[in-house]
Amino acid sequence: DTAVSQTPKYLVTQMGNDKSIKCEQNLGHDTMYWYKQDSKKFLKIMFSYNNKELIINETVPNRFSPKSPDKAHLNLHINSLELGDSAVYFCASSRLGGYTFGSGTRLTVV
Amino acid sequence: GDSVTQMEGPVTLSEEAFLTINCTYTATGYPSLFWYVQYPGEGLQLLLKATKADDKGSNKGFEATYRKETTSFHLEKGSVQVSDSAVYFCALSDPASYDKVIFGPGTSLSVIP
Repeated sequence: DTAVSQTPKYLVTQMGNDKSIKCEQNLGHDTMYWYKQDSKKFLKIMFSYNNKELIINETVPNRFSPKSPDKAHLNLHINSLELGDSAVYFCASSRLGGYTFGSGTRLTVV
Repeated sequence: GDSVTQMEGPVTLSEEAFLTINCTYTATGYPSLFWYVQYPGEGLQLLLKATKADDKGSNKGFEATYRKETTSFHLEKGSVQVSDSAVYFCALSDPASYDKVIFGPGTSLSVIP
């Protein structure tokens, strides 16, 4: 059983499109996160939810909108995709400081 | 704000060589410290962690000691293998900031036979 699963694993789309990435965790963790890894491998936090409530919102364009329907799911919707959005997006969950990451979604905007 | 600095790579070593990857941090509170590893084409895996000063984390032959006096958490391994080739990330999580993890820039390691 995969602890933190993301779908899709790969996503290729044109500029201007709207797309969503889904994340689910079956660990019973209270907190979930989205991280972005750029082409130089640099990882930066984007959002964090705790029990469906937004607790961290870093400086991210408002084209990015997270949604957490319940504490096991945290989805990321991106409007009007731009070339610079191409990256690998990682979902993670944690409880009391123990982190588990998903395997990532490689988004390519053409 | 909190930050993590790592030695720049890429690092290339011969098999069985000794590895050190330096990591220093800046934090206002009492963070936990981590090393994560990312193998080519894969996600991040926790390699080891330490939650308080003088703790030593260890796993798969890798070790790192939480040094509060020098704000460091250097990663070491006595004898690297080709299978250790990966990107290594030093990171901290600050309970005062909802445990968000802040990563260093990563150090790419290549081990050659």
